Amino acid sequence: EAGVAQSPRYKIIEKRQSVAFWCNPISGHATLYWYQQILGQGPKLLIQFQNNGVVDDSQLPKDRFSAERLKGVDSTLKIQPAKLEDSAVYLCASSLVGGAGKNIQYFGAGTRLSVL
Amino acid sequence: AQKITQTQPGMFVQEKEAVTLDCTYDTSDQSYGLFWYKQPSSGEMIFLIYQGSYDEQNATEGRYSLNFQKARKSANLVISASQLGDSAMYFCAMSEDNQGGKLIFGQGTELSVKP
Repeated sequence: EAGVAQSPRYKIIEKRQSVAFWCNPISGHATLYWYQQILGQGPKLLIQFQNNGVVDDSQLPKDRFSAERLKGVDSTLKIQPAKLEDSAVYLCASSLVGGAGKNIQYFGAGTRLSVL
Repeated sequence: AQKITQTQPGMFVQEKEAVTLDCTYDTSDQSYGLFWYKQPSSGEMIFLIYQGSYDEQNATEGRYSLNFQKARKSANLVISASQLGDSAMYFCAMSEDNQGGKLIFGQGTELSVKP
């Protein structure tokens, strides 16, 4: 079974530029998550989708970050304009269902973003 | 508010020995789940083990076991018979059942296995 696919693996941009990340979840997984992992810290949830609807985007900086999940499958996360503090690894995860209980999230390898 | 604390930034263990990675959590909810993930240098987070707050027995998955002490709000990971491939970052995480499955992660512990 294929895992969560993310691209690109690495991206270097200058501040104020825009960037987009792509995620393809495990087939059949209804729930998709984007996490931001700053160096030396644990991941922090940015946004959670259930099918193509947003469940939680309370920690998404909406003035510069946006995300969509068209047709309830692939998702893109965009940053525009980027700031130096956006340098981090962006992890995508998916799970079969959302919500309570043993809801195992499977992660992709992440996109490492460097903002210069 | 939910919080996960991992007090060991780095740990060393000799190959074939057992090691315990500490994790304490804070929640006011009665129903929650505790997870451990491994993150090798490649970056991917790998699920290791899960413990539900109502599970009476400690979870085990192969060489991994979770020492769950509910009253002390601790969920330590025990790795038996360490292998060189166990060298990685380890993250403890929690989800509260009324929060839609969102994971709250600790700061992580870097484990190094010595030959």
